[in-house]
Amino acid sequence: SQTIHQWPATLVQPVGSPLSLECTVEGTSNPNLYWYRQAAGRGLQLLFYSVGIGQISSEVPQNLSASRPQDRQFILSSKKLLLSDSGFYLCAWRGPPPRPNYGYTFGSGTRLTVV
Amino acid sequence: GESVGLHLPTLSVQEGDNSIINCAYSNSASDYFIWYKQESGKGPQFIIDIRSNMDKRQGQRVTVLLNKTVKHLSLQIAATQPGDSAVYFCAEVLHGSSNTGKLIFGQGTTLQVKP
Repeated sequence: SQTIHQWPATLVQPVGSPLSLECTVEGTSNPNLYWYRQAAGRGLQLLFYSVGIGQISSEVPQNLSASRPQDRQFILSSKKLLLSDSGFYLCAWRGPPPRPNYGYTFGSGTRLTVV
Repeated sequence: GESVGLHLPTLSVQEGDNSIINCAYSNSASDYFIWYKQESGKGPQFIIDIRSNMDKRQGQRVTVLLNKTVKHLSLQIAATQPGDSAVYFCAEVLHGSSNTGKLIFGQGTTLQVKP
C-alpha cells in the first residue's frame, strides 16, 4: 500500500538557523510531490511542486527552497529561518493515473515554530 | 480562492442538525472542485469532489452543490455529529493543470458541533 512519511512532527528553531524537512513516499513510482504551508488559523498555500527527480516549481517567492534528490523523496529547506516561516508544513503526493479522488494524499505535517 | 491573509470563519451547529459550509472560488476556468476535512494537527482528508459539468453530487451524509454562475460551492452535512468537528476547505483545479495537480485552496471554515 502507498504511504507518505513526513518528519519531524514538530520543530522549534531559532531565527537565522537552517531548516530541513523531509518527506518520503512508499508504494508508488514517479509521483507528483507537493509542499504546502498553513499559517495558524489560515488556509493552505502551495509552496513547491515537483513532477520528477530534480524538477522543482516554485509557486511563491520566499525564504525556502525545495529539492527532489530521489523519485520518492522531497525536501524543504532554508538557509536562514525567519519568524514568518512559522507554520504547519504539509507534504502531499499524487500518483499516476488512474487517480480516484484526484489522487491527493497529504502527510501528517510538521509544525514549525521559529523563535 | 486564495486563502492567504484570510482568517477562518466559524460555523457552530447543534449535534443532529444539518450543516452548510460555503466557499467562493475565484477562477471561472476551474473545472474540478474538492472538499477536504482537516482535523487539528493532521493533514487534510478527501471528502467529496465535483466536476464543473455537474451542479450536485451526493455522498454518504454529504452533498456538494456547485453554482458556476456565481462561482459558489457548498458542502452540506446531514445529521452533523461531534466527529464532524474540523476545518473544511474547498479546493479548485484550474483547467489545464490536471497534469501538475496543483490545488488552489479556499479560506476554510471551522465547524464546531455542540453536543
